[in-house]
Amino acid sequence: AQRVTQPEKLLSVFKGAPVELKCNYSYSGSPELFWYVQYSRQRLQLLLRHISRESIKGFTADLNKGETSFHLKKPFAQEEDSAMYYCALTNTGFQKLVFGTGTRLLVSP
Amino acid sequence: DSGVTQTPKHLITATGQRVTLRCSPRSGDLSVYWYQQSLDQGLQFLIQYYNGEERAKGNILERFSAQQFPDLHSELNLSSLELGDSALYFCASSVLSMSGELFFGEGSRLTVL
Repeated sequence: AQRVTQPEKLLSVFKGAPVELKCNYSYSGSPELFWYVQYSRQRLQLLLRHISRESIKGFTADLNKGETSFHLKKPFAQEEDSAMYYCALTNTGFQKLVFGTGTRLLVSP
Repeated sequence: DSGVTQTPKHLITATGQRVTLRCSPRSGDLSVYWYQQSLDQGLQFLIQYYNGEERAKGNILERFSAQQFPDLHSELNLSSLELGDSALYFCASSVLSMSGELFFGEGSRLTVL
């Protein structure tokens, strides 16, 4: 079964501090992983996907198959990064996208 | 707005009742997904349709059913409602059946009293 764990409900940092949002997954096959974000009063939207190996809004995420993790990182947090972040997993067939419970990131000035 | 549209935005009903939530996908998207978000829960996958056919099923209760119509809009039917069914129900759509990028609606908030 596919499972995504985000251990932190809330992560509070100061502007300019590094950020790491944790995501661990459980899946026996080859996973495809994503980070979705929901800003205040906006819809849930895709932030980045591991297969693209891209940096979006300064965020990066590396898939570590040995540790079954896909942590989201940003070296210097900005106030506009405050949002709800969800890690998500699907199989290679993309038959369903399973989400974690989410982490609220709060960046204070 | 050509994004995913969900109606109604809010719905209050009583236990034992039946409701229908409606979703119109983005123009051109063939795949529709339904998710349930309860308090302190993540997004629980319910069901996916692709071009009218059921594609994948999650932990959807037998009291719940869904379908996708020829015009690609989808409806989620919830019957014999219980207090625990109170939640935010999201619809999402994507271009292909096999895609990790989902476009979400604003959700329908169901309150069962």
